Amino acid sequence: GAVVSQHPSRVICKSGTSVKIECRSLDFQATTMFWYRQFPKKSLMLMATSNEGSKATYEQGVEKDKFLINHASLTLSTLTVTSAHPEDSSFYICSATLVGEQFFGPGTRLTVL
Amino acid sequence: AQSVSQHNHHVILSEAASLELGCNYSYGGTVNLFWYVQYPGQHLQLLLKYFSGDPLVKGIKGFEAEFIKSKFSFNLRKPSVQWSDTAEYFCAVKGGYGNKLVFGAGTILRVKS
Repeated sequence: GAVVSQHPSRVICKSGTSVKIECRSLDFQATTMFWYRQFPKKSLMLMATSNEGSKATYEQGVEKDKFLINHASLTLSTLTVTSAHPEDSSFYICSATLVGEQFFGPGTRLTVL
Repeated sequence: AQSVSQHNHHVILSEAASLELGCNYSYGGTVNLFWYVQYPGQHLQLLLKYFSGDPLVKGIKGFEAEFIKSKFSFNLRKPSVQWSDTAEYFCAVKGGYGNKLVFGAGTILRVKS
């Protein structure tokens, strides 16, 4: 199947700093990528839909100024958590669509101190 | 809004026991249904999916699921589990407004050897 990678796999940062997470589709082009957040013992919550060459579509309750998404190419979407706070600590997962099926990245564990 | 419920958050079975994980969804229209598995330390992988046709769907590693439209259910089954099936299992549904993939809370399966 198609492969989606994320970088970094883990990141620890200080409160107030910004963190960028990359999502790449390695062997296919993806016009649409999705960013999810997974809380402990809870489901994956869709944060936003990233569209190549246009603005991302954010879900209700997700701050677009805090979670900046850039989908600059058909193989790369980035999520930047700006001015991170401890409550932003979470597991962030991206996925990319190929022929109607979503393939998921391995996730990024963000810890904000 | 579409919602997905998984009945058990933790299931513990002995090897060779039969498995059934429940999944119910709320949207009454046309849906696409998925089961994903996340092995420890790995990313989400598709186990099986239902789009249309035979409501009994066979997936990888001996898993199957049955779509029962009247019950809004898509339960996952395996006749005889193995220790290597230890993982977290997510039911997901696509359909309704926005046609987004909505996940259940997940079921952690531990198989004792």
